[in-house]
Amino acid sequence: NAGVTQTPKFQVLKTGQSMTLQCAQDMNHEYMSWYRQDPGMGLRLIHYSVGAGITDQGEVPNGYNVSRSTTEDFPLRLLSAAPSQTSVYFCASSSRLAGEVGNEQFFGPGTRLTVL
Amino acid sequence: TQLLEQSPQFLSIQEGENLTVYCNSSSVFSSLQWYRQEPGEGPVLLVTVVTGGEVKKLKRLTFQFGDARKDSSLHITAAQPGDTGLYLCAGAVRGGGSQGNLIFGKGTKLSVKP
Repeated sequence: NAGVTQTPKFQVLKTGQSMTLQCAQDMNHEYMSWYRQDPGMGLRLIHYSVGAGITDQGEVPNGYNVSRSTTEDFPLRLLSAAPSQTSVYFCASSSRLAGEVGNEQFFGPGTRLTVL
Repeated sequence: TQLLEQSPQFLSIQEGENLTVYCNSSSVFSSLQWYRQEPGEGPVLLVTVVTGGEVKKLKRLTFQFGDARKDSSLHITAAQPGDTGLYLCAGAVRGGGSQGNLIFGKGTKLSVKP
């Protein structure tokens, strides 16, 4: 039982390049989310999914796309990277809605992305 | 816009000292969670408080939810170097129906020196 896994752990991109951050969970959780963490800004929600085939925008969705074709996987795509997207990205999964009483979100180890 | 203010932002103390971290908002939360994050890792849930005035203890850590459910505190007794990390609070907005109903504070970076 690996929990939530993310790849790659580190990535450097040039402005305008595209890439996909991978996220997988083996806990059969319906809910999955992508957050970005910047110094002094805390965790901000980018996109989330409440089940296979269903995604929605969070607080900071611009410049990112997601899809959820299976319960296990929730990739995050950057179509044209910008320096403002330099950040640490965390994927999380849970069996219920993020803020529901008694729910616990499990976070992956993060992907540190630098856009030059 | 709901805001969750955490203070202090940074805290550097000696082993054995006590400390308190605060999490404040003007919004009412249905529950509030505290996470601990170590460098290079994702946040890990420490506790969830639900009832106004609730106090929960986890070894040397004591968590309190304010009576009005707008604020919370984390108190660490006799801090140890292993307590070093980033402490995040996250409040669940009442009546929220999406993943966006969990609001994170900016975190308190704690360093405990031996």
